[in-house]
Amino acid sequence: DAGVTQSPTHLIKTRGQQVTLRCSPKSGHDTVSWYQQALGQGPQFIFQYYEEEERQRGNFPDRFSGHQFPNYSSELNVNALLLGDSALYLCASSFGGRLEQYFGPGTRLTVT
Amino acid sequence: GENVEQHPSTLSVQEGDSAVIKCTYSDSASNYFPWYKQELGKRPQLIIDIRSNVGEKKDQRIAVTLNKTAKHFSLHITETQPEDSAVYFCAASKGGSYIPTFGRGTSLIVHP
Repeated sequence: DAGVTQSPTHLIKTRGQQVTLRCSPKSGHDTVSWYQQALGQGPQFIFQYYEEEERQRGNFPDRFSGHQFPNYSSELNVNALLLGDSALYLCASSFGGRLEQYFGPGTRLTVT
Repeated sequence: GENVEQHPSTLSVQEGDSAVIKCTYSDSASNYFPWYKQELGKRPQLIIDIRSNVGEKKDQRIAVTLNKTAKHFSLHITETQPEDSAVYFCAASKGGSYIPTFGRGTSLIVHP
């Protein structure tokens, strides 16, 4: 039974570029949430996808957008990258309205 | 919105000692309180959680207590071992939202 997977593991981008991160949820899960974790901080909620729609959104600018596919996998897109976007991006999956979330290994994004 | 404060930021103990990490939350409607363990370079892992209709929950060497009146909850680890060394995050969320707000984390160091 595969857990949550994310790709790529690491990514280096230049300011102003765009990036796409990918997440596959744990088998049987249909809800995907994305978090940004800056160094030394707790994860900060970006948004959550359920039934291919954005269900909840945190306090992040429109430069952050996402998508969920019919197979429940998800993408996080960030446009016009800033140095401050450098962080570990975590994906977490859950089933329907259940509270328990399971995290993926994350994608380390470095913006230079 | 919800605000979660976590203390201490660093906790150093000797192997075999007990460790206690405390969190407070601001939204009285929060009703789900998970704890995550994050080892260096790895994903956050759910180690224990508690719902607001329960005052205490135990799982082997770890336990969580909840005081709804005071709006605080704590993680207790007994007989600590070096492999318990990690960053621990508390979080709070409420039904209908299911989006956890995380504390800033506690770095637990267990000295052999």
